[in-house]
Amino acid sequence: DVKVTQSSRYLVKRTGEKVFLECVQDMDHENMFWYRQDPGLGLRLIYFSYDVKMKEKGDIPEGYSVSREKKERFSLILESASTNQTSMYLCASSLDFFSGNTIYFGEGSWLTVV
Amino acid sequence: KQEVTQIPAALSVPEGENLVLNCSFTDSAIYNLQWFRQDPGKGLTSLLLIQSSQREQTSGRLNASLDKSSGRSTLYIAASQPGDSATYLCAVKYNFNKFYFGSGTKLNVKP
Repeated sequence: DVKVTQSSRYLVKRTGEKVFLECVQDMDHENMFWYRQDPGLGLRLIYFSYDVKMKEKGDIPEGYSVSREKKERFSLILESASTNQTSMYLCASSLDFFSGNTIYFGEGSWLTVV
Repeated sequence: KQEVTQIPAALSVPEGENLVLNCSFTDSAIYNLQWFRQDPGKGLTSLLLIQSSQREQTSGRLNASLDKSSGRSTLYIAASQPGDSATYLCAVKYNFNKFYFGSGTKLNVKP
């Protein structure tokens, strides 16, 4: 059974803190994604990665960075957390670009910045 | 810019009713379209995946159709049950692995 695991389900951080959100997939997928989900705005792509050490900006990359040192792990970094980054963060993975494969999601990480 | 729209935003039906959820997209050059279910506070679970060359896919009580030329997809749920209550999202895949999501339809099936 496929699995995308987000290590932290609920986090509360202070403004200005550096925040790390970790995601691990066990399917040997090439592509990994970070989305945020906000009421009324749907899912918005922050960053994605198509290979180890490779990354591409999504639609809302400002204030975020990512790291992919190993194929199975994709980290989202909030360099200096702000209250407008309070949101649900979803990690996802898919097999490769050119197939019609499903995208699989983790359970989500609820981040509150106070 | 590609846009994906889901109407209605919320739907409440009595148990046993058949229902249709709608998804529309502005750019018809899609790779595939996927329907997901999301329970409160949880991630997304894939329900059905339709490739661009297909017209429909079925899984149990669910049937999804795709009409690329009109930029529309529908998710048909037969004989709805309270356990079907969730938010349903559609996602459209374009080239280079970009997925665009609708805002979802929140379904409530009343016992």
